[in-house]
Amino acid sequence: AQKVTQAQTEISVVEKEDVTLDCVYETRDTTYYLFWYKQPPSGELVFLIRRNSFDEQNEISGRYSWNFQKSTSSFNFTITASQVVDSAVYFCALSEKGGYQKVTFGTGTKLQVIP
Amino acid sequence: DVKVTQSSRYLVKRTGEKVFLECVQDMDHENMFWYRQDPGLGLRLIYFSYDVKMKEKGDIPEGYSVSREKKERFSLILESASTNQTSMYLCASSLSATFYGYTFGSGTRLTVV
Repeated sequence: AQKVTQAQTEISVVEKEDVTLDCVYETRDTTYYLFWYKQPPSGELVFLIRRNSFDEQNEISGRYSWNFQKSTSSFNFTITASQVVDSAVYFCALSEKGGYQKVTFGTGTKLQVIP
Repeated sequence: DVKVTQSSRYLVKRTGEKVFLECVQDMDHENMFWYRQDPGLGLRLIYFSYDVKMKEKGDIPEGYSVSREKKERFSLILESASTNQTSMYLCASSLSATFYGYTFGSGTRLTVV
């Protein structure tokens, strides 16, 4: 069975600090996909990134970066120079190729960026 | 701008009422999903549909049913609302959730009193 663990329930940082959100996953498949979503206070989850299991290259998008390490089954998300607008709940998710439309979400990490 | 629209943002219903949560998408996606979100539990899949009139149970289907008469519309039905169904309900659609992820609606916060 697939599982996603986000051990950090809530994190508070001061604006301009860097912050890393952890995500650890479990799966028996060799082909799978990992996702991060952002849920701002407005409520709508917004897709941030997708990574497949064969692509371990780290990705950077502006102040956001993602570190995928199959050896530790982790897909961590770092925000550099955090801003108040980054305050949200962030979800990590996993889907398996063999699991038809089955996506498993972590419990989320609530990030508060203090001005 | 592509959208998933949920008809109500906030809803208050009485125990025992039949409740309909509506979701419409304009992206021509085959796949639509209903999740509920609870603190500490993350998102849990209630039902999904991969085609008109087709449905599959998710992880927590008990107490819920769904209807998909048209491709763009996916309704979640609480046959007899109970207080433990007080939650945030999220609708999503996708070309393929496995490969592309979801587009979510803004959510409906349902309170059953």
